[in-house]
Amino acid sequence: GQQLNQSPQSMFIQEGEDVSMNCTSSSIFNTWLWYKQDPGEGPVLLIALYKAGELTSNGRLTAQFGITRKDSFLNISASIPSDVGIYFCAGRYQAGTALIFGKGTTLSVSS
Amino acid sequence: DTEVTQTPKHLVMGMTNKKSLKCEQHMGHRAMYWYKQKAKKPPELMFVYSYEKLSINESVPSRFSPECPNSSLLNLHLHALQPEDSALYLCASSRPPVGELFFGEGSRLTVL
Repeated sequence: GQQLNQSPQSMFIQEGEDVSMNCTSSSIFNTWLWYKQDPGEGPVLLIALYKAGELTSNGRLTAQFGITRKDSFLNISASIPSDVGIYFCAGRYQAGTALIFGKGTTLSVSS
Repeated sequence: DTEVTQTPKHLVMGMTNKKSLKCEQHMGHRAMYWYKQKAKKPPELMFVYSYEKLSINESVPSRFSPECPNSSLLNLHLHALQPEDSALYLCASSRPPVGELFFGEGSRLTVL
């Protein structure tokens, strides 16, 4: 079946640093979504991408849909303590199919 | 109102109990989902309803029984669960077939 490789698995950074994480797939995807999940809560949608090469920002967050359609990355600039959580990428390779989730990147920010 | 609301937030049940998880959305979405999530793992798809019809069942044991009474409501009926079924159960909704998924806050289930 389809798989997503998300890296890094975890990150420990200082407040104010920039963060980058990415997801790669073995197949071409037509949708990439990025979610953040806080402990005990449901995932919250951060950014949705639908076109190859698309670059979308949401505040300090920027995500891109890779040109090959097999990858996506998420950047967080000037990290703050409330950025702590687990970030999941998710993709869909064709309309009507279920989302496939990456294994998540756990972000820790020290002040 | 763009929320997906799940109740109860916490549920503790014995292995012989029958209970239900409930989900409601007011975004006009016509696809609704149940996911199971273990700690520090990604959500695992259980069921998908599209236009109130069950479209995906990911080989979930029959002790989990979904129900979609209407386009805004989704239930998950639980019976004779096992301790390993303890997890966070997430409901989500979207505009089929390609919309983004919006998740509720989850129901934390503990099976004793």
